Amino acid sequence: GDSVTQMEGPVTLSEEACLTINCTYTATGYPSLFWYVQYPGEGLQLLLKATKADDKGSNKGFEATYRKETTSFHLEKGSVQVSDSAVYFCALSQAAGNKLTFGGGTRVLVKP
Amino acid sequence: DVKVTQSSRYLVKRTGEKVFLECVQDMDHENMFWYRQDPGLGLRLIYFSYDVKMKEKGDIPEGYSVSREKKERFSLILESASTNQTSMYLCASRIQGGGETQYFGPGTRLLVL
Repeated sequence: GDSVTQMEGPVTLSEEACLTINCTYTATGYPSLFWYVQYPGEGLQLLLKATKADDKGSNKGFEATYRKETTSFHLEKGSVQVSDSAVYFCALSQAAGNKLTFGGGTRVLVKP
Repeated sequence: DVKVTQSSRYLVKRTGEKVFLECVQDMDHENMFWYRQDPGLGLRLIYFSYDVKMKEKGDIPEGYSVSREKKERFSLILESASTNQTSMYLCASRIQGGGETQYFGPGTRLLVL
């Protein structure tokens, strides 16, 4: 079946540092790929998505590129802020599927 | 903006109680989902509904049931709560289509004593 693997946290960074969270997937066909973010005490919010190979999703300074050759969708941000402290989830969804398959989540803590 | 609301943010129940978790979405979405979130395990799908009165089991349906009598409302039922059902429960909705974005509610943190 489909699966998503993302780096374990926690990841602790200083403000203005670069952030990369690795995400790789195993799936048949051409799934859509997502990054969701969960701020403390809240539900998940869509951060960005990509629906086909070589697509780049971007939002709030975050970017991720759908790499089919490496089955990856790594999340990057060039300069993090304290407000980026959250748990980040990589996920995929098949076009004919009924669910999101999630990675285990990566907690990010940005210190001033 | 899509809005998904859940009836409670926090619940405390006793073992053996019947528990209802309610979810309402305001965007006329066909599909609705219930997940539970546990540390280190990410989110796991409990049940999925693709339309009114339609449901499918997810990855971990044991101990749960669901009800979808109206398009906007999807209820998760714990028939007899147990301590291993202590968790965060998240509801989501989307328009019909596997590649479409799911929109999540704020979650209900359930503690079963």
